[in-house]
Amino acid sequence: SYELTQTPSVSVAPGQTAKITCGGDSLERRAVHWYHQRAGQVPVLVVFNNNNRPSGIPERFSGSNSGNTATLTISRVEAGDEADYYCQVWDSDSDHPLFGAGTKVTVL
Amino acid sequence: QITLNESGPAMVKPTETLTLTCTFSGFSLSTDGVGVGWIRQPPGKALECLALIYWDDDKSYSPSLKSRLTIARDTSKNQVVLTMTNMDPVDTGRYYCGRKPTGVGTFDIWGQGTMVTVSS
Repeated sequence: SYELTQTPSVSVAPGQTAKITCGGDSLERRAVHWYHQRAGQVPVLVVFNNNNRPSGIPERFSGSNSGNTATLTISRVEAGDEADYYCQVWDSDSDHPLFGAGTKVTVL
Repeated sequence: QITLNESGPAMVKPTETLTLTCTFSGFSLSTDGVGVGWIRQPPGKALECLALIYWDDDKSYSPSLKSRLTIARDTSKNQVVLTMTNMDPVDTGRYYCGRKPTGVGTFDIWGQGTMVTVSS
């Protein structure tokens, strides 16, 4: 079955850039979506179809997908960006959504 | 405004069947491409999509849990119901429902979730 791999944790200073990666076999062939989930809150979609932002999501959030790795980039990191970040694809084998294990982003 | 609200028991006993209801508003589950899914999250762990039902009544289940899950819709009530049999303490967690919009394989709007504890 298809698997997504995420680095467990990333630390970043305010104002710097955070890069969160999601790995999978030939991932570039799939649409990757990203959510953030602040502590105790509901997941929020921040990027869909690799590099599209839903309305209301700041331009500081951007995505890319190439080869076996998709990347969510958060520019000018703020304290409020501290959250767990999950990537998600559609597993064509099972025809079912699949989430990565999540990356905890800590703002120093 | 699109909203989804989950309801169901806060606690069930091991081996019991869990029934959760997602009541939604602001969109129609009869619209082409739209779906409603159930996603769970054990405490401190990752998200897992359990089941999804589509506008045409097609259904999708987690391969590892398929034998225990049933998803159904009541279009007239704007509700989606998930049943999960043979509950176990490892099934403890927060259960969310979310909308899958047309043309995108993601969940763009989520409910607040409902916490379910499995304990004797």
